[in-house]
Amino acid sequence: QVQLQQWGAGLLKPSETLSLTCAVSGGSFNDFYWSWIRQPPGKGLEWIGEINYSGTTNYNPSPSLKSRVTISVDTSKKQFSLNLRSVTAADTAVYYCAKDSLTVDSWGQGTLVTVSS
Amino acid sequence: QSALTQPASVSGSPGQSITISCTGTSSDVGSYNLVSWYQQHPGKVPKLIIFDVDRRPSGVSSRFSGSKSGNTASLTISGLQAEDEADYHCWSYAGSSTVVFGGGTKVTVL
Repeated sequence: QVQLQQWGAGLLKPSETLSLTCAVSGGSFNDFYWSWIRQPPGKGLEWIGEINYSGTTNYNPSPSLKSRVTISVDTSKKQFSLNLRSVTAADTAVYYCAKDSLTVDSWGQGTLVTVSS
Repeated sequence: QSALTQPASVSGSPGQSITISCTGTSSDVGSYNLVSWYQQHPGKVPKLIIFDVDRRPSGVSSRFSGSKSGNTASLTISGLQAEDEADYHCWSYAGSSTVVFGGGTKVTVL
């Protein structure tokens, strides 16, 4: 049973960079894609992007996201990370890391990231 | 890439059946049998309840069923119970290695 544990800063100022990391345990890291998903307060889920063990990435094509997002991987540590640059209040959300095996079937515990001056 | 369209809210009485729709386009829901549904209780992590349009993961109640017609997928909850009160999100593969979620539907048990 795969488990995902995530961490990162929860309070940012506008224009700063959001950085989150997710560690995977209990399963094969190389067999799946690993995703980041976010959920603004009171709203629906939004897929940010994904990465596999070799560093192949796929990103949400939304212009407001794609130009600011970088997802990276450290296969030796079974970890993957999200960087979102130049954050604004609109980026305030719970961010989830997740396992993608033709659908998202395992989730991290979520991290509330608040952007406020 | 636009979010899939779900009704904001659906309600029903205990024991009734309700259906939640998820409308996409011919580029996502209409083109692939890769539609999933997630149940999310307040403050909790989403839980996968339907994948591949109509398949249930092990341990998920048979009261949950999925279907698809054209560009619209549907989730039906039969024999509605108080514990089913939650938010429900649909998900679809959208081609070119991207995916899209719906806006979410709040289910209220009257």
